[in-house]
Amino acid sequence: DAMVIQNPRYQVTQFGKPVTLSCSQTLNHNVMYWYQQKSSQAPKLLFHYYDKDFNNEADTPDNFQSRRPNTSFCFLDIRSPGLGDAAMYLCATSSRAGQTEAFFGQGTRLTVV
Amino acid sequence: AQSVAQPEDQVNVAEGNPLTVKCTYSVSGNPYLFWYVQYPNRGLQFLLKYITGDNLVKGSYGFEAEFNKSQTSFHLKKPSALVSDSALYFCAVRYNAGNNRKLIWGLGTSLAVNP
Repeated sequence: DAMVIQNPRYQVTQFGKPVTLSCSQTLNHNVMYWYQQKSSQAPKLLFHYYDKDFNNEADTPDNFQSRRPNTSFCFLDIRSPGLGDAAMYLCATSSRAGQTEAFFGQGTRLTVV
Repeated sequence: AQSVAQPEDQVNVAEGNPLTVKCTYSVSGNPYLFWYVQYPNRGLQFLLKYITGDNLVKGSYGFEAEFNKSQTSFHLKKPSALVSDSALYFCAVRYNAGNNRKLIWGLGTSLAVNP
């Protein structure tokens, strides 16, 4: 059974048109992460939530925003997608931001045209 | 500076042969070490972790890894490779950075298992 679900799996958006990616989890984990992964590269952490506390990485562009309305859901908003934002976006959860491993969703592949 | 290295971009092995995917790290304090696997167009799947205790840890799909503190390594191994093991493998290391915990990733190693 899927535990971290990302929708949609594939998203095509126009240059400059706002887009939202969604993630839901059935694990009741405190921590939710958003990663950006470009072709066969390591995942790059954009931000994470520890419960409702939002933690932004210093090098995450302002173009990327996130919302976590409740424990189960987390959204990634890209306000004005550029061609360089085309990537796989991965959502992950963990029960604590420490010893435990992260559980990843299947990812959303974003194409910007 | 804190870092994780996967020195091989690609590893090729024949089916049935043992495989090793290498990972070395340089972090302060006691690290937590993880291996993940990624199949094409999929998210990452957790394989195994080392937190403390026995240096040899066993994980999913017959994989294991050995934590070697003196060599600061955490190589992933499997005694007999399968074609279905062909994927991208990532090593990750968590360490304490002041009051925060940071996770850094290796660049990945592409494993190809040939029939």
